[in-house]
Amino acid sequence: AQSVAQPEDQVNVAEGNPLTVKCTYSVSGNPYLFWYVQYPNRGLQFLLKYITGDNLVKGSYGFEAEFNKSQTSFHLKKPSALVSDSALYFCASDQTGANNLFFGTGTRLTVIP
Amino acid sequence: DVKVTQSSRYLVKRTGEKVFLECVQDMDHENMFWYRQDPGLGLRLIYFSYDVKMKEKGDIPEGYSVSREKKERFSLILESASTNQTSMYLCASTEPGTGRRETQYFGPGTRLLVL
Repeated sequence: AQSVAQPEDQVNVAEGNPLTVKCTYSVSGNPYLFWYVQYPNRGLQFLLKYITGDNLVKGSYGFEAEFNKSQTSFHLKKPSALVSDSALYFCASDQTGANNLFFGTGTRLTVIP
Repeated sequence: DVKVTQSSRYLVKRTGEKVFLECVQDMDHENMFWYRQDPGLGLRLIYFSYDVKMKEKGDIPEGYSVSREKKERFSLILESASTNQTSMYLCASTEPGTGRRETQYFGPGTRLLVL
């Protein structure tokens, strides 16, 4: 089955440290991959997406993600975490033959002051 | 900026009631979506619409229906609410193109509690 997986329900990181939120995919062909963020009591906001080309994608709020075809991963990264980055992060991919995105189960990031 | 609004942030309904959730977008988007969000399950697609009066079932359409009479408005209807429909409901819209490859713009969500 085509899908994305977020292996960690919760990630804790100290403020100022680099952060990584993991995502792996199992979509055939050339997937479109997305990261969205959800702050408390809000809808999801688009962070970045990979279409094709450069494997390193830069997005909003200093986030970036690296597309790794050999490892089928699309991990979200930021060099220096802020307390305000604490939120729920969703990875998503398109699905061949479908008209919608498939979302992962989400990873809650907590940045500790 | 794209704005997607949902009619209510919080709703409390009783089992068996008919529930309407409204979503409006102001960017003339063709594609609109309804998801439900549950802890540990992520977002699951209920229905989507790619044009006025057009609708497609998503992954979990049972117990729901939708209406799209105008391009900017997409309504989700729970014909007879049940407790297992207690959830956060999110509406989204996308620019023209294949819905799955365009950036989705989300509303703030409606948290529905069915008693």
